[in-house]
Amino acid sequence: DIQMTQSPSSLSASVGDRVTITCRASQSISTYLNWYQQRPGKAPKLLIDAASKLQSGVPSRFSGSGSGTDFTLAISSLQAEDFATYYCQQSYGTPLTFGGGTKVEI
Amino acid sequence: QVQLQESGPGLVKPSQTLSLTCTVSDGSINRGNYYWSWIRQPAGKGLEWIGRIYTSGNTNYNPSLKSRVTISVDTSRSQFSLKLNSVSAADTAVYYCASGHGYVNFDYWGQGTLVTVSS
Repeated sequence: DIQMTQSPSSLSASVGDRVTITCRASQSISTYLNWYQQRPGKAPKLLIDAASKLQSGVPSRFSGSGSGTDFTLAISSLQAEDFATYYCQQSYGTPLTFGGGTKVEI
Repeated sequence: QVQLQESGPGLVKPSQTLSLTCTVSDGSINRGNYYWSWIRQPAGKGLEWIGRIYTSGNTNYNPSLKSRVTISVDTSRSQFSLKLNSVSAADTAVYYCASGHGYVNFDYWGQGTLVTVSS
């Protein structure tokens, strides 16, 4: 199985801050990497696929980068609605696996 | 936009079979190149992929659950289903269904349904 490791597991930030979350794969996965946002009590929402492709309707303050084993999700100016947990997920091979999550809180 | 809705018992006894159904809106289940997945999330923990099915009937399962899982599809009802047998308390989680295509594995999700395993 491909292990996905996210860091940090949680972070505290303020509205307007720039936030970066990293995700590392246990082997090279090219750009087969997706990012999700999950608000409390809600289903995850796809933000970015193929490491950097923003989904329709997702604010441009979100961006993704990376390839191979190291990936980053950045939020350029944190908004109140961005306080949530973020997960990376590899789509390179089965079993499909997720990172452990990064909780972004105030 | 695809809409998905999970349904099924919220309480299952240990050693019994957990059965859930996901209803897909507007006939989207017949979309070419789509597949349909189950994912679960124990309270306060991360996400675990259970498996997926294509409308052809081909399936992929997580090896960690493969011996206990069956996913099936009924395109005439626009539904796909999950059966997980021999459940224990460790199977207590919110269960989500989701759609995917290509390498975009989970583009739309159901709202999730909590299943508790307890006597």
